[in-house]
Amino acid sequence: SAVISQKPSRDICQRGTSLTIQCQVDSQVTMMFWYRQQPGQSLTLIATANQGSEATYESGFVIDKFPISRPNLTFSTLTVSNMSPEDSSIYLCSADTQYFGPGTRLTVL
Amino acid sequence: AQSVTQPDIHITVSEGASLELRCNYSYGATPYLFWYVQSPGQGLQLLLKYFSGDTLVQGIKGFEAEFKRSQSSFNLRKPSVHWSDAAEYFCAVGAGGSTLGRLYFGRGTQLTVWP
Repeated sequence: SAVISQKPSRDICQRGTSLTIQCQVDSQVTMMFWYRQQPGQSLTLIATANQGSEATYESGFVIDKFPISRPNLTFSTLTVSNMSPEDSSIYLCSADTQYFGPGTRLTVL
Repeated sequence: AQSVTQPDIHITVSEGASLELRCNYSYGATPYLFWYVQSPGQGLQLLLKYFSGDTLVQGIKGFEAEFKRSQSSFNLRKPSVHWSDAAEYFCAVGAGGSTLGRLYFGRGTQLTVWP
């Protein structure tokens, strides 16, 4: 099994700023994903983080807004750029399908 | 395309009563199915999963689920609910025939437990 940690666990940010969320896995994994959970909603996939290449984004999500890095098999970052209140959500990192991090709770004022 | 339906948005049961949370999926091939629980302010915890084999799957915390291909269902059950089971429950289906692919989630079922 894989244990996933995320930093920060929560943050309150101002409109127009950017936040980078870090995801660290305690073992090498093949696949890493980033999901968003808007208030009272289910989870929606933002993108698949590909090691050594550009992430694969789902419909409705673009690289300029959510740039993702994955420099190795245990680490990934998601940046939420030029934030607006609509970006207030929980952002969850996932590895090899079934493992999830604790999430980053983001509030944008 | 894959999709997951959880028809019950909110379920209320008394402590000690039995529980069944419904999940129906849409997927053309053999699905990989999961149930997660999310307590308030917490991340997702995997309760159980089905990849293949025995269609009755045992999970943590006394939960079980049964895969019924003919009904495209993967309902979650517990014989006796505890107050600590109050949480949001998500059913999910894996995509692309891979055990490592992305998940499609249902909208969730909120469980309230009365003392």
